[in-house]
Amino acid sequence: DGGITQSPKYLFRKEGQNVTLSCEQNLNHDAMYWYRQDPGQGLRLIYYSQIVNDFQKGDIAEGYSVSREKKESFPHTVTSAQKNPTAFYLCASSPLGGQAVYGYTFGSGTRLTVV
Amino acid sequence: AQSVTQLGSHVSVSEGALVLLRCNYSSSVPPYLFWYVQYPNQGLQLLLKYTSAATLVKGINGFEAEFKKSETSFHLTKPSAHMSDAAEYFCAVRIDRGSTLGRLYFGRGTQLTVWP
Repeated sequence: DGGITQSPKYLFRKEGQNVTLSCEQNLNHDAMYWYRQDPGQGLRLIYYSQIVNDFQKGDIAEGYSVSREKKESFPHTVTSAQKNPTAFYLCASSPLGGQAVYGYTFGSGTRLTVV
Repeated sequence: AQSVTQLGSHVSVSEGALVLLRCNYSSSVPPYLFWYVQYPNQGLQLLLKYTSAATLVKGINGFEAEFKKSETSFHLTKPSAHMSDAAEYFCAVRIDRGSTLGRLYFGRGTQLTVWP
């Protein structure tokens, strides 16, 4: 079955460490997105990519980095510069152009806790 | 500019009662509109979408939504709530224009509680 996989489901890190979250899709979608979710704040866009080797900052990119070396993969690093990294992180993908009416497909999320 | 407003961060209903979750959008061009549902510690799942065909859209789990251009609304309804409907619901709008191509803008979410 086609889908989008995030790993790990739960992640614990010490303060000051960088951590990389994985996101892989086999839907052949062009665009991929990273969101951060905090209680009562909805989803906030961190970064997105519409094509391999290109990505754009979202609304809260500071302290995060991404790469898009392959169409199916969009890993995301939470760096030590992110002041409040504990959150639930969601990855999503979507087609572009006329197929985009189908909206996003989401992964199941990674809950990051920094202690 | 485009935005989505969900009225009411928390909605509580009794089992069997009508569910109404409100969503208003602002857009200078015809939008695509979506409702997603999220269960605890899971990703978002698409409930239904409006893409300029029929204004009344039926989705999964008995939910439906009506696009009202004059009111810039896309409210989500279900005639009879079930305990399994308890979740968080997100309204989203998509406007394809320039660099925002493909991007969805999400409301802040409405937590639905269903009482037995």
